[in-house]
Amino acid sequence: GAVVSQHPSRVICKSGTSVKIECRSLDFQATTMFWYRQFPKKSLMLMATSNEGSKATYEQGVEKDKFLINHASLTLSTLTVTSAHPEDSSFYICSARTGNVNSPLHFGNGTRLTVT
Amino acid sequence: GENVEQHPSTLSVQEGDSAVIKCTYSDSASNYFPWYKQELGKRPQLIIDIRSNVGEKKDQRIAVTLNKTAKHFSLHITETQPEDSAVYFCAASDDKIIFGKGTRLHILP
Repeated sequence: GAVVSQHPSRVICKSGTSVKIECRSLDFQATTMFWYRQFPKKSLMLMATSNEGSKATYEQGVEKDKFLINHASLTLSTLTVTSAHPEDSSFYICSARTGNVNSPLHFGNGTRLTVT
Repeated sequence: GENVEQHPSTLSVQEGDSAVIKCTYSDSASNYFPWYKQELGKRPQLIIDIRSNVGEKKDQRIAVTLNKTAKHFSLHITETQPEDSAVYFCAASDDKIIFGKGTRLHILP
């Protein structure tokens, strides 16, 4: 159980275009999902907390107008990287909890974004 | 906000020996401490977690200890095997889960 599916796994886009990444909880409902960014050989940096039916909560230094998050249902959160630039190239990974704040995160497979 | 420090960044251990990774956290409100293992190109996988009402937890070759007073917690892997080679992340959570920078563990044959 507790499967989180993330698509696409890889995407290459041109500078200036937008890219949407989907994160789905397949066998449980997730009122909260978390979006992380991971640079090569680096840690997982929390970008934002996605809340079903309300606005996302962004971490300091993360541009909310650049990284649009929508959590339209209890099983789907999307991250849209708008007007992508090469420095946005990274590994983006979503996660969700099955329970309360003291329960583990289950991660999607991640999306490798390359902006040319 | 929460800040998690993790040491060492790289650790090489002879196969069969033990490995210890240490973390500290800053927010005394944090009450949940998971550990994740990430193999190259794959998603992080939970290997063990501990809650603040417990000082130690063990699962086969893996154990975690927590000292809430000192705000530090550690991961212990005994009888290491080649498949233990990976990057390990500690994390601390009150609401959001904040990760340490990771430890790259190499198991030497």
